[in-house]
Amino acid sequence: KAGVTQTPRYLIKTRGQQVTLSCSPISGHRSVSWYQQTPGQGLQFLFEYFSETQRNKGNFPGRFSGRQFSNSRSEMNVSTLELGDSALYLCASRQGVNYGYTFGSGTRLTVV
Amino acid sequence: QKEVEQNSGPLSVPEGAIASLNCTYSDRGSQSFFWYRQYSGKSPELIMSIYSNGDKEDGRFTAQLNKASQYVSLLIRDSQPSDSATYLCAVMNTGNQFYFGTGTSLTVIP
Repeated sequence: KAGVTQTPRYLIKTRGQQVTLSCSPISGHRSVSWYQQTPGQGLQFLFEYFSETQRNKGNFPGRFSGRQFSNSRSEMNVSTLELGDSALYLCASRQGVNYGYTFGSGTRLTVV
Repeated sequence: QKEVEQNSGPLSVPEGAIASLNCTYSDRGSQSFFWYRQYSGKSPELIMSIYSNGDKEDGRFTAQLNKASQYVSLLIRDSQPSDSATYLCAVMNTGNQFYFGTGTSLTVIP
């Protein structure tokens, strides 16, 4: 069974640009969440999607947005990039409410 | 108050010893608890889940849950150098939202 697939693995963007990250969950997993990980802040929750609906949202500015498609694939978008957005962005999927998440390998975003 | 708190460490134990990792959470109604291991430069990997008070064993790992004290722990018996990693505690609260602790860095010294 394929794991959670995130693309691209690495990105370098310039301040002010926007970026779109992609995530394909494990087959059959309808819940997808996104996290930002930085050395100082640890894992910060961005949002969770289930069946194309955003179910929860973390405390991030509106520049961070996401969506989920009918095949459970998900994308997140960050507009007007800031230097502080440099981080590892992790996508995770789970089988159901009481199950743990399985993480993808992440996208490392560097904003210069 | 943070949803999930962990001692950031670092925790160092000699090879063969028991490593004890601890976590507290704030939402008394939380029902699902997880431990993740994260090697440097890698993504977190789920290693244990626990839902009921008491102990749950899986190989060298034992998760312990005490809902009255809002406390979760992970014991690693016969610690190996390959266990050196950051261990993240995660809790699903009553709103079905996952919260992660900041992690405890463990080093097993050969």
